[in-house]
Amino acid sequence: DAGVIQSPRHEVTEMGQEVTLRCKPISGHNSLFWYRQTMMRGLELLIYFNNNVPIDDSGMPEDRFSAKMPNASFSTLKIQPSEPRDSAVYFCASTPGTTYGYTFGSGTRLTVV
Amino acid sequence: KQEVTQIPAALSVPEGENLVLNCSFTDSAIYNLQWFRQDPGKGLTSLLLIQSSQREQTSGRLNASLDKSSGRSTLYIAASQPGDSATYLCAGSGGSYIPTFGRGTSLIVHP
Repeated sequence: DAGVIQSPRHEVTEMGQEVTLRCKPISGHNSLFWYRQTMMRGLELLIYFNNNVPIDDSGMPEDRFSAKMPNASFSTLKIQPSEPRDSAVYFCASTPGTTYGYTFGSGTRLTVV
Repeated sequence: KQEVTQIPAALSVPEGENLVLNCSFTDSAIYNLQWFRQDPGKGLTSLLLIQSSQREQTSGRLNASLDKSSGRSTLYIAASQPGDSATYLCAGSGGSYIPTFGRGTSLIVHP
């Protein structure tokens, strides 16, 4: 199994541009999570999907952030327009059920200049 | 809402020492607790997963315990090595099944 796959690994963009981060969960995992990690705030949950349906998006910072999961094998996190304070590492994680724990992707390091 | 705290925030030890990392959580109705390792600039690697019905889990030199009544988990690392240098994070999952992370313990093991 290739694990949770995130792309791109690094993204540098100018303020105001649209950014799309991608995640492919492990096949058979029915729950997917997007986290953001910064030095100041640590790991913060942004949104949680179960069976492709958003269950908890209370962590999404503001309307500039949106996430979709059109099918069981793909999810996107979009920021439009991006701002310098969005610079962080964004992680995707998946699980087949809490009994099995959570598997994280390698993350996308986003820099907004 | 589950809150997770890790103490100490940073730790520096000489090689060979046995050490304990602490994780405390506020909601005793925890479903499971998972310990991760994160190397600089890298993702999170799962180390140990303890279900609420379990008291401890072991993998090699690592042993993790869970005490729901006191709201605590500990990660014990035996005979530490420089390769153990990393940040160690714990995450607790409650009734919402969403893992809440502590801020981590940054460990340096020097030769």
